[in-house]
Amino acid sequence: AAGVIQSPRHLIKEKRETATLKCYPIPRHDTVYWYQQGPGQDPQFLISFYEKMQSDKGSIPDRFSAQQFSDYHSELNMSSLELGDSALYFCASSAGTGNYGYTFGSGTRLTVV
Amino acid sequence: AQKVTQAQTEISVVEKEDVTLDCVYETRDTTYYLFWYKQPPSGELVFLIRRNSFDEQNEISGRYSWNFQKSTSSFNFTITASQVVDSAVYFCALRRSNDYKLSFGAGTTVTVRA
Repeated sequence: AAGVIQSPRHLIKEKRETATLKCYPIPRHDTVYWYQQGPGQDPQFLISFYEKMQSDKGSIPDRFSAQQFSDYHSELNMSSLELGDSALYFCASSAGTGNYGYTFGSGTRLTVV
Repeated sequence: AQKVTQAQTEISVVEKEDVTLDCVYETRDTTYYLFWYKQPPSGELVFLIRRNSFDEQNEISGRYSWNFQKSTSSFNFTITASQVVDSAVYFCALRRSNDYKLSFGAGTTVTVRA
């Protein structure tokens, strides 16, 4: 079965650079979520989109922005990267609000040096 | 506000032992959803189970079982006859009915030694 696809799997950036992470949800899933997991931490919710509109917002820095496109894939753009942005970034998708569960991608490991 | 507490930070067992992971949650909602996820060393988050607040039936799936008790706001997870492949971080998570996001507990690291 198709899963949530995230790219790239690994990314190394320097401070103050920009990074773009991509997420391709499971077919027919209309909601995508972004989570950030720091080392030894639990995943923290950043932002979600339902039918291409922002549906919820968590602790996402102003330097970060995201959107969901007409084909339902989503991109997380991170600018002016800081060392503290180094983390595993997960995308998840669901049908609607996730009453029947979420499927997570394998994550993108971002390292800022 | 909602909150998920996993009091056990780390658990270490020898293969074939049983291990129970505690999860206590707080929410004022009457309708909510509880989840367990497994995160092996490779890093991905693997869905294990979802339970809604109206379904208090316990569930067994192979060596995994879950005990949901609304009276104590707990949703505990037991691995029976643990195996080395069970070594992972296990997260309990809560979602409100009108919300999109999951709130995760801090996770419990399970190490199963051969």
